[in-house]
Amino acid sequence: QITLKESGPTLAKPTQTLTLTCTFSGFSLSTNGVGVGWIRQPPGKALEWLALIYWDDDKRYSPSLKRRLTITKDTSKNQVVLTMTNMDPVDTATYYCAHGRGVTAPFDYWGQGTLVIVSS
Amino acid sequence: QSVLTQPPSVSGAPGQRVTISCTGSSSNIGAHYDVHWYQQVPGTAPKLLIYGNTNRPSGVPDRFSGSKSGTSASLAITGLQAEDEADYYCQSYDSSLSGVVFGGGTKLTVL
Repeated sequence: QITLKESGPTLAKPTQTLTLTCTFSGFSLSTNGVGVGWIRQPPGKALEWLALIYWDDDKRYSPSLKRRLTITKDTSKNQVVLTMTNMDPVDTATYYCAHGRGVTAPFDYWGQGTLVIVSS
Repeated sequence: QSVLTQPPSVSGAPGQRVTISCTGSSSNIGAHYDVHWYQQVPGTAPKLLIYGNTNRPSGVPDRFSGSKSGTSASLAITGLQAEDEADYYCQSYDSSLSGVVFGGGTKLTVL
């Protein structure tokens, strides 16, 4: 059974760096073809893909946010970490991590999401 | 402005059939990249509904079906039920943007 859960601060201040952790079970990020992605959703708005990391440490980023994002993995802890620099109120959203097999594949398992509010 | 265009809302009575369109371009759906569909009940995480244009994950009723043609894809729901009321999103890959793209979402109301 595959499960994922996001964790991190609920509140962030403008200009701060946000660090979110995705802790998962039921699969290994060292298995060929496996990936974990991050997707966010501002309140009342659409889903937006942020980043994805593959089993072989290949990383893909949203072009519009690439300069602000870093995605890493800790295979031994079954965790994926996303950092986003220079937070702004427009980054207020629910952040989801999800299991997938690449940028052209579906996200077949999702975490419950974590709401991050950016406010001074 | 989403790369994939969906109607903001659709509605139908119980038992009816509704379709939700997802219109892209030659750099995403038209470039033969797969389309995937998600159902999101407000306050919950998205759930994979259709993958690879036409395939249903285990547990998804066959009332849900997907199709793709040219630069567009569609999700059809037959025998509409109250529990189908949710937001629906399409997803694909865009080679010009080199990234995953989602549609703007469609709110389905069961009348």
